[in-house]
Amino acid sequence: GAVVSQHPSWVICKSGTSVKIECRSLDFQATTMFWYRQFPKQSLMLMATSNEGSKATYEQGVEKDKFLINHASLTLSTLTVTSAHPEDSSFYICSVTGVLRETQYFGPGTRLLVL
Amino acid sequence: KNEVEQSPQNLTAQEGEFITINCSYSVGISALHWLQQHPGGGIVSLFMLSSGKKKHGRLIATINIQEKHSSLHITASHPRDSAVYICAVFQGAQKLVFGQGTRLTINP
Repeated sequence: GAVVSQHPSWVICKSGTSVKIECRSLDFQATTMFWYRQFPKQSLMLMATSNEGSKATYEQGVEKDKFLINHASLTLSTLTVTSAHPEDSSFYICSVTGVLRETQYFGPGTRLLVL
Repeated sequence: KNEVEQSPQNLTAQEGEFITINCSYSVGISALHWLQQHPGGGIVSLFMLSSGKKKHGRLIATINIQEKHSSLHITASHPRDSAVYICAVFQGAQKLVFGQGTRLTINP
């Protein structure tokens, strides 16, 4: 399967700052990338879907101006949490899929703590 | 009611026991995923299936499309199998809908 990396793996920041999380598909042409959020002891929640070169499609209730997603190439997508607040503290996971959409390959996740 | 329901939510067993985790869904799907999430958070895709049965090592996954039900079995369970197991269904072309997960603990 595809190898997906995320950077950073964890980040602590002050309230009001912006945080950028990278998702890289190391050996796979990721036509579509997904961003998920997971709160403690809860399941994953899809935040947005991005196709390479297009604007991301956000799920209901997810603020697109707060969670900026850029999918500039077939191997890189970024999620920027703008003006982060403590309630944004969560585990953020990306996944990728290819043209055939045969499966999704998940990144290791980024743990964000906003103080 | 969630579109994807897993049972049990928590399962503790002794090493060597046969484990079954169930997943029921209420929506039309194109395929179903079984995922494993370890305490560190990383997620591994175990199976993707749309019919029948798949086997990989000690893991077996089955799906009954008519009954909208899937099961994940672990034979000869081991403490390293301890993790959260998540059932997720493909709705439409790409979107995954997740179950709430089953937390499995295997004691030595």
